[in-house]
Order: sequence, then structure tokens, then C-alpha cells
Amino acid sequence: DTEVTQTPKHLVMGMTNKKSLKCEQHMGHRAMYWYKQKAKKPPELMFVYSYEKLSINESVPSRFSPECPNSSLLNLHLHALQPEDSALYLCASSQGHYRGETQYFGPGTRLLVL
Amino acid sequence: GESVGLHLPTLSVQEGDNSIINCAYSNSASDYFIWYKQESGKGPQFIIDIRSNMDKRQGQRVTVLLNKTVKHLSLQIAATQPGDSAVYFCAENIGSGGSNYKLTFGKGTLLTVNP
Repeated sequence: DTEVTQTPKHLVMGMTNKKSLKCEQHMGHRAMYWYKQKAKKPPELMFVYSYEKLSINESVPSRFSPECPNSSLLNLHLHALQPEDSALYLCASSQGHYRGETQYFGPGTRLLVL
Repeated sequence: GESVGLHLPTLSVQEGDNSIINCAYSNSASDYFIWYKQESGKGPQFIIDIRSNMDKRQGQRVTVLLNKTVKHLSLQIAATQPGDSAVYFCAENIGSGGSNYKLTFGKGTLLTVNP
């Protein structure tokens, strides 16, 4: 089973709201990732967690706050977002964060910021 | 192939034909490459991968070719079906060691299969 699940599927929020995106995998993977994807563009890496520790932050604004409560779960907390943050947010996981590890993606959360 | 501006490269084929999708990668130190398929409204789905010590790898109806000399990757899909219609991304694994490996995606190609 190579399934990564994400909730919610869709989210609409105002610029003053606080919301969270959730990601879950039960493949025993120890690396998890957040990507942002704008329409007709490739996914862009935001954060990498390896063994529940943040190992890469691609200079993401602090209004995005990741959290990895355990090896199966990954959250992305959103606060005071801007309309330009509207995008598809993808979660992925891999066995580890090493050279040559295949990443498996979830279906994404489509976020609209009004 | 690679795009310029905001438009995805597109490839339109007839059902049953073979498709070839091309990708140029940027880093000569990249040693692992993946092709993903992304259907509308879904996340990228792993299709096939190849490591830099190989120049060809075959899967079910798909073949990936790697030419390290010109930093070029291609995905061949045999007997293309309507269900193959999607955006196809190549991705290269970049990193110098330790915990800094990242996947960097190409711009994508929209494949449309006409019945």
C-alpha cells in the first residue's frame, strides 16, 4: 500500500483565519514532505521532516508552520495567509530522506484564501 | 520538452500510438530521476524511476531513457490509452549528502490522448 491521505480535500479561509492541513501515512516511512503547487506549475518543496525532525525549510514564510507529531502524521498550520497562498498543498512521504528514495504523494488539499 | 513562460508543453497523440515525453535536467551531479503522472485534481503518481548508473529502464508499457552526456531524460509510453491523459513531470534528486536531498521537478508536459 503506497497511500498518503490528506484532509481536508478543499479549504476556503479568510486572511485572518487559522486552519490546519493534515497528512497521514501508514507505510512506516520516516520522511515526510510538504509541497506547494500553483496551477500549471510543478510542485515546489516547502518543508522536509526526517525522523520527526525538521531537516529542510525552503525559506517558507512563518505564516506556514509545519508540525510532525509522530512518524505517521504531518500537519501544516496556516495563519494570516494571503490570497497568493491559494494553491494545491501536497504531502509526500518516503522510506527515508536519503539519495534515491522514491516519494509518494497524497491527493492534496486545494486551498483558497479570500 | 521544456517550456518558456506560463504555458505547459503539450503533446497530443492518437489512442494506440506511442508517446515520447522529453525532459532536460539541470544538474550533472543528479543521480536519481523519477517520472510522475498527475491527473487533474490529483496528486503526482509515481510511474518509473532510473538511477544514473543506468541508461534505460522498462516498466509496464513505459520506458525511461537517460542520456547523461546531454542531461536528457525521456519517457516512452507504448500503445497510449485515454487513461494516460495527464501532466507528466520528470524530477531529479539533487543534494550533496547528509540530509539535504531534494526532488526538483521539471515544468511538466500535458499529454492528451485522442480516441
